[in-house]
Amino acid sequence: DGGITQSPKYLFRKEGQNVTLSCEQNLNHDAMYWYRQDPGQGLRLIYYSHIVNDFQKGDIAEGYSVSREKKESFPLTVTSAQKNPTAFYLCASRLTAGQGWDTEAFFGQGTRLTVV
Amino acid sequence: GNSVTQMEGPVTLSEEAFLTINCTYTATGYPSLFWYVQYPGEGLQLLLKATKADDKGSNKGFEATYRKETTSFHLEKGSVQVSDSAVYFCALTVNRDDKIIFGKGTRLHILP
Repeated sequence: DGGITQSPKYLFRKEGQNVTLSCEQNLNHDAMYWYRQDPGQGLRLIYYSHIVNDFQKGDIAEGYSVSREKKESFPLTVTSAQKNPTAFYLCASRLTAGQGWDTEAFFGQGTRLTVV
Repeated sequence: GNSVTQMEGPVTLSEEAFLTINCTYTATGYPSLFWYVQYPGEGLQLLLKATKADDKGSNKGFEATYRKETTSFHLEKGSVQVSDSAVYFCALTVNRDDKIIFGKGTRLHILP
């Protein structure tokens, strides 16, 4: 079955540590996204990518980094520079606007990151 | 710029009540419109969509009609169930832009 998988489901980070959240998709989608969701809040875009080896900052990129070395994978690193990283992180993928701008996004199940 | 505005929550209804969640948009060109649903502790999943004016999207008893004249895409359901309790997001996409524009979400509580 095609889908998008995030891991781990729960992640605990100590102060000053970098952590990496995994996102893998087998939907053959070129576009991938990372969002942050705080309790009772909407989605805020961290980074997005529309092709391998290229990505763009979203609205809250500070303290985060990404890579896109393979079409299927778009890992997110939460660095120690991110002062308030406790949140629910969601990864999504879809066709690019050029391929199908009217198509929907598919989301992973999310990773809940907690600073301890 | 492109934007989506949806009604503030939370919305609390009794089971079998009629539901409307308002969504209006601003977009350059002709957007595609979506409703996503998020159940507790999960990611978002597509509920329904409409890609051109006057289209009606429907799924699981929910409906929404793409109204170009009022730039709206209101979500409706005739008789809600406790299992409909979730957060609902209205969203749009436009040609030549890979970003997805989301509303802030509306939390729905259905009481038995």
